Amino acid sequence: AQSVTQLDSQVPVFEEAPVELRCNYSSSVSVYLFWYVQYPNQGLQLLLKYLSGSTLVESINGFEAEFNKSQTSFHLRKPSVHISDTAEYFCAVSGDYGGSQGNLIFGKGTKLSVKP
Amino acid sequence: NAGVTQTPKFRILKIGQSMTLQCAQDMNHNYMYWYRQDPGMGLKLIYYSVGAGITDKGEVPNGYNVSRSTTEDFPLRLELAAPSQTSVYFCASSYSNRLAGTYEQYFGPGTRLTVT
Repeated sequence: AQSVTQLDSQVPVFEEAPVELRCNYSSSVSVYLFWYVQYPNQGLQLLLKYLSGSTLVESINGFEAEFNKSQTSFHLRKPSVHISDTAEYFCAVSGDYGGSQGNLIFGKGTKLSVKP
Repeated sequence: NAGVTQTPKFRILKIGQSMTLQCAQDMNHNYMYWYRQDPGMGLKLIYYSVGAGITDKGEVPNGYNVSRSTTEDFPLRLELAAPSQTSVYFCASSYSNRLAGTYEQYFGPGTRLTVT
């Protein structure tokens, strides 16, 4: 069965500092990987995804994640964070729960807090 | 497109009451999902549907029921509300076919439910 571990529940950083949010997954089959962001009192929005091809994927707002198959990781990074990046971030892996390839298995989330 | 819409946004129920959380999508997605989100626990899949007339249980289905009579709508029913069902509920949808696979899910804004 697939599972997702987000190693840090909270990450406080100062504005303009780099940040890495860690995500490890376990799966015996090929996977698709996702990062979602949730701003306060809102639903989840897709930040970026890995389906195939280049192992480095980027979002439009400066985040990037690298798929590392040997380490079963999909860490999220940003070289310089902004106050507006304060949110909760969820890593997810495509699962085959109940036989449906569409289901996602979510990590427990990492709260990123950017301080001025 | 409105995307995924959910009603109501907030609701307070007394123990033993019943209610239906509404979810609709206008993206012609065939897959739809219901999750609950509890603090520090990520998202747990309650039920999902791969098409009209087809539903299946997720990880935490007890105390809930669903139906999928149309492609657009996927209501979630709570029959006898219990304090353990206090949570934020998210509906999501995605598109899947044999060639494209099933990739990202699109989320609604959520329903915050309190059972007292």
